[in-house]
Amino acid sequence: QQPVQSPQAVILREGEDAVINCSSSKALYSVHWYRQKHGEAPVFLMILLKGGEQKGHDKISASFNEKKQQSSLYLTASQLSYSGTYFCGTELYGGSQGNLIFGKGTKLSVKP
Amino acid sequence: SQTIHQWPATLVQPVGSPLSLECTVEGTSNPNLYWYRQAAGRGLQLLFYSVGIGQISSEVPQNLSASRPQDRQFILSSKKLLLSDSGFYLCAWSRGGTLSYEQYFGPGTRLTVT
Repeated sequence: QQPVQSPQAVILREGEDAVINCSSSKALYSVHWYRQKHGEAPVFLMILLKGGEQKGHDKISASFNEKKQQSSLYLTASQLSYSGTYFCGTELYGGSQGNLIFGKGTKLSVKP
Repeated sequence: SQTIHQWPATLVQPVGSPLSLECTVEGTSNPNLYWYRQAAGRGLQLLFYSVGIGQISSEVPQNLSASRPQDRQFILSSKKLLLSDSGFYLCAWSRGGTLSYEQYFGPGTRLTVT
């Protein structure tokens, strides 16, 4: 049931773009995205509730393909502050409301 | 505004000793509360969640237990710690209800069992 995130790690130069994918074998009710910096707690980025929904703020956006049970996080013109580990959390149809199953994370490193 | 507190921040305990971690939320009522564990370099594993006082659901059978004695207080306990209990323990809250809401995490407790 744990969603699969890809890639596991990515290194970027400032200004480059990245895509992080999250794929589930189960039907999804929602997908949440969080970023965690080393030694800190995860911080909420965005939640996608409907298939086809896309959201974004600043230069970070995400999409949710309900049919494919996939979500992607897009980071555009990356900044040093984007470095961290990104986790997707999936809420399953028929599962306990609000309970998230997290992927193993994607470590993003942005270099100057 | 809402805030979430966890203590202690770090803890070193010998195998077989008891454990009590506390989490409190301020600025909201009737939140959903969650306990997660994160092993080094790993993802987040949901341990317990609660939708109300005295209502606890366990996601993973283990030697840990949770209690919610007050609306905004969530406690994680163990009678006897194992080496495998080491990790980063995170408490989180979300709005209660039937919709899916974002979760906000506390600063975490780093537990080392020796």
